[in-house]
Amino acid sequence: QQPVQSPQAVILREGEDAVINCSSSKALYSVHWYRQKHGEAPVFLMILLKGGEQKGHEKISASFNEKKQQSSLYLTASQLSYSGTYFCGTESAGGTSYGKLTFGQGTILTVHP
Amino acid sequence: DTEVTQTPKHLVMGMTNKKSLKCEQHMGHRAMYWYKQKAKKPPELMFVYSYEKLSINESVPSRFSPECPNSSLLNLHLHALQPEDSALYLCASSQGPTVTSYEQYFGPGTRLTVT
Repeated sequence: QQPVQSPQAVILREGEDAVINCSSSKALYSVHWYRQKHGEAPVFLMILLKGGEQKGHEKISASFNEKKQQSSLYLTASQLSYSGTYFCGTESAGGTSYGKLTFGQGTILTVHP
Repeated sequence: DTEVTQTPKHLVMGMTNKKSLKCEQHMGHRAMYWYKQKAKKPPELMFVYSYEKLSINESVPSRFSPECPNSSLLNLHLHALQPEDSALYLCASSQGPTVTSYEQYFGPGTRLTVT
C-alpha cells in the first residue's frame, strides 16, 4: 500500500527550512528518501531502519517513528539545489512486502532566490 | 564508478514491435531493479533480480520480459505493448541482495513511447 506524503508541494526562499512527512498504514521495516529533479533519475538521500540505524547525507536529517509508521525529512537552510520532487519509499515488515520499496506520491519542493 | 547506464535514452515503438531496453552497472552490485514511472507519478517497481535470479515480479504483464544475463547487465524485452505502457523505465542497482539497508543507484531511464 502506497505511503502518504505531506505536503504535496512547498515553496521556500533560500535559507528557509522545510519538513516533509511520510505516513504508512503498515508496520515498516525501513524508510528510504530520494530526490528527483525534472528529467533526471532519483537520487538517494537517506535510509532509516527499524531499530534506529540511519544512513545518508550529512546535511539532511530525518526521523522514523516506528510506532506510528511515520517518517519526516528535515531540510534546513535550503539552497536552490534542493528544488525537486521528494519521494519516500517504504519497505513493509514481513510478508511479501519485504525487500521492495513502495514510493509515496511525492512532494514538490521549489526554492526561490 | 557509481553509474548505472541505460540504453536507449528514447524509444518509439509500434504495438506489434519487439524491442529491448538495456541496463548496465559496474559497481559489483548484487541486486538490480526495473521501475516504471509515469509523468508526475512515483516510480513503480516491476522486477527485482538478486544474485542474477528473479526474486520479485510485481504481477507485471507478460509483454514485459526481464532478463539478467550476468551480474552487470539487465535487459527488459518488450513485445506487443499497449499505448498505456508509454512511460519512463528506470533501472536501479543496490549493493545488497535486497533494498533493505542499501541505497539504490538509478540510471537516467529510457523514455518509451508506444504508438
